[in-house]
Amino acid sequence: GQQLNQSPQSMFIQEGEDVSMNCTSSSIFNTWLWYKQDPGEGPVLLIALYKAGELTSNGRLTAQFGITRKDSFLNISASIPSDVGIYFCAGANAGGTSYGKLTFGQGTILTVHP
Amino acid sequence: GAGVSQTPSNKVTEKGKYVELRCDPISGHTALYWYRQSLGQGPEFLIYFQGTGAADDSGLPNDRFFAVRPEGSVSTLKIQRTERGDSAVYLCASSLTVGQSGELFFGEGSRLTVL
Repeated sequence: GQQLNQSPQSMFIQEGEDVSMNCTSSSIFNTWLWYKQDPGEGPVLLIALYKAGELTSNGRLTAQFGITRKDSFLNISASIPSDVGIYFCAGANAGGTSYGKLTFGQGTILTVHP
Repeated sequence: GAGVSQTPSNKVTEKGKYVELRCDPISGHTALYWYRQSLGQGPEFLIYFQGTGAADDSGLPNDRFFAVRPEGSVSTLKIQRTERGDSAVYLCASSLTVGQSGELFFGEGSRLTVL
């Protein structure tokens, strides 16, 4: 089945540094999403991308939908301690009964040192 | 309610027992989803409801797993003859419509431990 390969698996950075993580797929998605999960919580949507080549920002977060539709990246600028958590990419193919069927990556664990 | 509510938050059971996990979606959300998250992994899709009907149940691992949503709101995930491999966090999510793919609102999950 479809698999998403997310890298890096973990990152340890200093507060104020920029962060970049990416996600690649063996097959095409027409929607890419980035979620953040804190311990004991469910994932929370950060950014949604619906068009190949799209670059979208949400505050200090910027994400891009790769033109091949098989990859996406997420950048976090000027990291702060509350950015700590697990970041997941997810792909979806809208249409028919597939709207809610997200395929998630294995996550990137982000640690920010004050 | 304000968010997706899942009960119980923790469930410990013995191998072979029957378990029910409940999800109360955000009021007015017509779509409801169940995912399973094993330790160190991303969530895996199980089943998705649009209203009362299961629109896609292709992620249910076997016939021991079943989910219902009889009135188009609250959903129950049922696991029969539990096995140790069923231990995971079961996440429920809801969305307003199916128009925008991926904009799911997740609950905090039900952590299931099968001894």
